[in-house]
Amino acid sequence: RKEVEQDPGPFNVPEGATVAFNCTYSNSASQSFFWYRQDCRKEPKLLMSVYSSGNEDGRFTAQLNRASQYISLLIRDSKLSDSATYLCVAIIKAAGNKLTFGGGTRVLVKP
Amino acid sequence: DAGVIQSPRHEVTEMGQEVTLRCKPISGHDYLFWYRQTMMRGLELLIYFNNNVPIDDSGMPEDRFSAKMPNASFSTLKIQPSEPRDSAVYFCASGVYNEQFFGPGTRLTVL
Repeated sequence: RKEVEQDPGPFNVPEGATVAFNCTYSNSASQSFFWYRQDCRKEPKLLMSVYSSGNEDGRFTAQLNRASQYISLLIRDSKLSDSATYLCVAIIKAAGNKLTFGGGTRVLVKP
Repeated sequence: DAGVIQSPRHEVTEMGQEVTLRCKPISGHDYLFWYRQTMMRGLELLIYFNNNVPIDDSGMPEDRFSAKMPNASFSTLKIQPSEPRDSAVYFCASGVYNEQFFGPGTRLTVL
């Protein structure tokens, strides 16, 4: 089993709709979490951190559920430009800050 | 700031040849990471440095791979000898541990 798992998608989303997807992690010692965005044939870029209390950045909302060991990303009012692959990252500080990326969830926003 | 600079952007070589990938991190960043990305395995952390010192190289696939960081502004990832299964996009990233800025990547093809 992979340490960080994501549904690869694609999630086909009508423009203006809301989409949400999760990322599960297997190591309960994971302490820090992030979402990165990667456009086709480009490098990943940090989208947002994930805080225990949940956090919002414009149309994007990230949440952490420690009991069920997953993080989520919700995108409201989807734009065509939101089409990308979204990668989650878990960091295990107790293991020397071991950092693991998920395989990514592909989102396609269509007009 | 020019961001993380990687060279070459594309490399095509024949099996058995030595390949050297280069990275110039963003000035002032203490951490430097090398990743490999393939369709099958996703984004994998190979090795990372803190203040030019290798901290964790557990992701380096085998002895054919080596990485150096002789100073704060330069790092190399070397593959010798290269094999077709090494074909991938290799990313260098710098930053603080939790927030990484990726370079554009080197697309390596080993024939």
